[in-house]
Amino acid sequence: DTEVTQTPKHLVMGMTNKKSLKCEQHMGHRAMYWYKQKAKKPPELMFVYSYEKLSINESVPSRFSPECPNSSLLNLHLHALQPEDSALYLCASSQVAAGPQHFGDGTRLSIL
Amino acid sequence: GQQVMQIPQYQHVQEGEDFTTYCNSSTTLSNIQWYKQRPGGHPVFLIQLVKSGEVKKQKRLTFQFGEAKKNSSLHITATQTTDVGTYFCVSLQGAQKLVFGQGTRLTINP
Repeated sequence: DTEVTQTPKHLVMGMTNKKSLKCEQHMGHRAMYWYKQKAKKPPELMFVYSYEKLSINESVPSRFSPECPNSSLLNLHLHALQPEDSALYLCASSQVAAGPQHFGDGTRLSIL
Repeated sequence: GQQVMQIPQYQHVQEGEDFTTYCNSSTTLSNIQWYKQRPGGHPVFLIQLVKSGEVKKQKRLTFQFGEAKKNSSLHITATQTTDVGTYFCVSLQGAQKLVFGQGTRLTINP
């Protein structure tokens, strides 16, 4: 059982839709992350939140908008995505930034 | 930023054979983490190495950090079908950014 919960597990959306990915952890971790992973590639870091503040944005396009409402929750708001944004989106958390990470199962996103 | 090269990209072995994957950096690493991702799954943390020359063992897995802290390896003795997956080394770039190596995909012939 994963201790980081991501919803939904699968998402299909059109290029004009707005949707959100959600991530939750109850381990008391103070750092949370969003990664994008394409097939047969390593996860690529998108955002890092440390103590609920955005500390790293890896030059991610503005159509991806992260939000950290509290220390247990992390959202990724999606708007006007492109077909090349289709990928597995992984959320992770760690006790402190750059510590060993616990990953969720991911959301498999398909853009039509 | 620092580049960490992971080799080989793929490895196919017979069940019972040993397996090793290597990560090499041109600069000194503060620490290195290893993760395993099963097909269709998510990365799972295996170990973190911090000290120069450190060696850690987990059952059939042996992890090493080089004396100069520029390379690391993961060795699996007598592979089993449950070892199938992609093994990633992960290094720290700056204060907070963890960067995944390209990974070594291990497949096993039973």
